[in-house]
Amino acid sequence: AQSVTQLGSHVSVSEGALVLLRCNYSSSVPPYLFWYVQYPNQGLQLLLKYTSAATLVKGINGFEAEFKKSETSFHLTKPSAHMSDAAEYFCAVSTNPYNQGGKLIFGQGTELSVKP
Amino acid sequence: DTEVTQTPKHLVMGMTNKKSLKCEQHMGHRAMYWYKQKAKKPPELMFVYSYEKLSINESVPSRFSPECPNSSLLNLHLHALQPEDSALYLCASSHAVVEKLFFGSGTQLSVL
Repeated sequence: AQSVTQLGSHVSVSEGALVLLRCNYSSSVPPYLFWYVQYPNQGLQLLLKYTSAATLVKGINGFEAEFKKSETSFHLTKPSAHMSDAAEYFCAVSTNPYNQGGKLIFGQGTELSVKP
Repeated sequence: DTEVTQTPKHLVMGMTNKKSLKCEQHMGHRAMYWYKQKAKKPPELMFVYSYEKLSINESVPSRFSPECPNSSLLNLHLHALQPEDSALYLCASSHAVVEKLFFGSGTQLSVL
């Protein structure tokens, strides 16, 4: 069975500081991994995805994530936090990509706060 | 057009009411999804439609009835809901099952 674990339900950083949101996955097959962001009262928006190509994945809004198979991790980073980055972030892993029974499994989420 | 449009944005209903949530996309996506999200929790998958056929039902109670009239539309019919069904209901679509999902803004449902 596939799963993701997000370490830290809440992360607080100062504006301009490094953002690091942690995600570890469990998968018996090569996983497809995703980071989504959810702003208040909105749906989820894809930040980036890993699909077995480059291990360093660049996404929107200056975010990137590195797939590390040896550590079963897919941590999300941004060099310099902006106030507008305050939101809920979800790591997700897919099961059976492109197959009929595939589905996305979300982590519990990490709320990012950015202090001025 | 890269939007998934959900209506209504807010819905208040009694436990004996019948209502429907609607979702529409014009991106040519062939997979569509319903998710339920409680506050401060991740989205929980309810249903997946692939090529207009129901491919996944996550053991959702029968008081929730999905319908996919065509490749652009997805409905969720609600009947005899319970207060614990109050949540944000999100629709999403993708080119293929479990590719990049595009989410709508959701319908905030309150059951009284």
